[in-house]
Amino acid sequence: DAKTTQPNSMESNEEEPVHLPCNHSTISGTDYIHWYRQLPSQGPEYVIHGLTSNVNNRMASLAIAEDRKSSTLILHRATLRDAAVYYCILRDKGSGNTGKLIFGQGTTLQVKP
Amino acid sequence: DTAVSQTPKYLVTQMGNDKSIKCEQNLGHDTMYWYKQDSKKFLKIMFSYNNKELIINETVPNRFSPKSPDKAHLNLHINSLELGDSAVYFCASSQFRREQETQYFGPGTRLLVL
Repeated sequence: DAKTTQPNSMESNEEEPVHLPCNHSTISGTDYIHWYRQLPSQGPEYVIHGLTSNVNNRMASLAIAEDRKSSTLILHRATLRDAAVYYCILRDKGSGNTGKLIFGQGTTLQVKP
Repeated sequence: DTAVSQTPKYLVTQMGNDKSIKCEQNLGHDTMYWYKQDSKKFLKIMFSYNNKELIINETVPNRFSPKSPDKAHLNLHINSLELGDSAVYFCASSQFRREQETQYFGPGTRLLVL
């Protein structure tokens, strides 16, 4: 399974942009990059995903490096509600698309008022 | 309406007991999952069912037995509970569409074995 590397923790000030990095140097050509987040005492929730091009949705933007070996989740204006653990996940392709998500340790984002 | 629901939310029990956790999704998805989050917060897949058929079994002890009576339900029965089974168990569902599928998670069941 292709692995991802993220910083253990990051801090941000409220209403400022946050850039959460993820390295995935062993990504295969057709692996999608997914981001999930887990708010305190809740289940993980989907944030965004992409393949090659940058992606935007109402929650965040995803910037993917040209060589696809890294990506960055961008929260344009962090709020206190964005404090969570953010997981960068490559969709598993080694088990015949069974659908399982392989979670790493994620990045714990703290947002200061 | 809750998309993925789990019952109970909290479960405190003694070692050696047998307990069940239930999961229901109303999203019309064909695939459901059980994940375990341990005390160090690592989330790991345990089982997955697609159209009531088991497709993932991640070397979980035989004491854990999932059952999917229909596509909308996936239950987890645990026999002879051990201290190490204490964790948060998350159910999830998705529509199985290969790489782009999004999984929706339930709120979790917090199991404490004493």
